[in-house]
Parts: sequence; C-alpha cells; structure tokens
Amino acid sequence: GENVEQHPSTLSVQEGDSAVIKCTYSDSASNYFPWYKQELGKRPQLIIDIRSNVGEKKDQRIAVTLNKTAKHFSLHITETQPEDSAVYFCAASRPSNTGKLIFGQGTTLQVKP
Amino acid sequence: SQTIHQWPATLVQPVGSPLSLECTVEGTSNPNLYWYRQAAGRGLQLLFYSVGIGQISSEVPQNLSASRPQDRQFILSSKKLLLSDSGFYLCAWMGTSGAGEQFFGPGTRLTVL
Repeated sequence: GENVEQHPSTLSVQEGDSAVIKCTYSDSASNYFPWYKQELGKRPQLIIDIRSNVGEKKDQRIAVTLNKTAKHFSLHITETQPEDSAVYFCAASRPSNTGKLIFGQGTTLQVKP
Repeated sequence: SQTIHQWPATLVQPVGSPLSLECTVEGTSNPNLYWYRQAAGRGLQLLFYSVGIGQISSEVPQNLSASRPQDRQFILSSKKLLLSDSGFYLCAWMGTSGAGEQFFGPGTRLTVL
C-alpha cells in the first residue's frame, strides 16, 4: 500500500544551524507533498508544500526539494530559531483522486538556544 | 475565509461507552472531509474520508464509524469505546479547487479509562 518514510525521528541542532528532514514515498502517482508543523498539544499547521511539476520551493527560511525519480522530498530550515522547535510531518497525496494524505512518522526538532 | 470547528475539545469516557465527535466547516461548499487520529507521541492515521454528503470511505477497520449528514458536517462515532481509542482526533478539510491543501481543526483529545 501507500507509504511515506520520514527520517530522522529526532533532530537536535544549535540555534542558527540548518536542519534537514527527508521523506521517501512509495506511490509514484503522488503529486502533492505538504509539510506540517505541530507544536505540543496543537493542530498540525501547513508550512510549505510542493507539487510534482516543481523541483524546489522556498519561503523565507524554509525550502522544500523534490526528486520525483527517486521519490524523495526534503524540508530544509536555515538559521534555525528556538521557535522552530516542534514536530514536523511530511505527507504525500493525489489531490485529483481522494486527496487523502499519507503521513510520515514525524520528526521532533529541538533547537537549542 | 474558511474555518473549521471541532467539539468537544477534550473528553474523558469510560470503556464501553458511546462516542460522538463533531466537525463543521464554514466558508466553503462541498469540501472533502477527513478524520485522523493521533496516538500520544505518534503520527497521524487517516480513519475516514468523505467526498460528499452520505459518502464515507473507511481506511482502517475498527469499532469507529463516520457520517456526513450535511455538506459541512462530519461526525465520528462509536457504540462502545476501547482503551485503544484514546488519542487526539483531528478533522480536516480540503477545498474543491483540487489544489490539495488540507487544513486541520483544533482537535478533540479523547481519553478512554
């Protein structure tokens, strides 16, 4: 079945350093790849997404890259700040189908001041 | 603008009792709606999705059910709760533009004792 693998499960960086989270998906028909940030006890919030016709997308300090051939996509956070500390989830879907999101297992990012 | 509501926010129920969680969306028509469950410290598991009134698809066999009696209302139910039903229940909607973005409600934290 459809599956999304996410690594690492935990990531600790020093404030100001960069953080990279990687995901691999199994369904080659997936064409939409969002990233969510979830703070403790809160709902997941969409922070950035990418579609299969684009290789990279950037929004200030965060960027996402997609390699459709390898079925990999990654989240890059530069100049990390303590408020970036949260759990990050990647997901994959086919919006033109049911749109259901298949989530990775999550990465707990800790940014140390 | 669109908003999504869930209630109750928290719920403590005994094993074997019934359950009804409600989700409503405002500011959009004919959205796709989704129920996810998140166990403590874990990822998001898709339970049900609906592409229209009365149309429910189940992703995981279990003792839960879902209904969509109105266009913007999605209900999650159980006749008899199990301990393993404890978790954070999140409702999400996707607009009909087909772009794929899903937005989550504030969630219901359910504890089954």
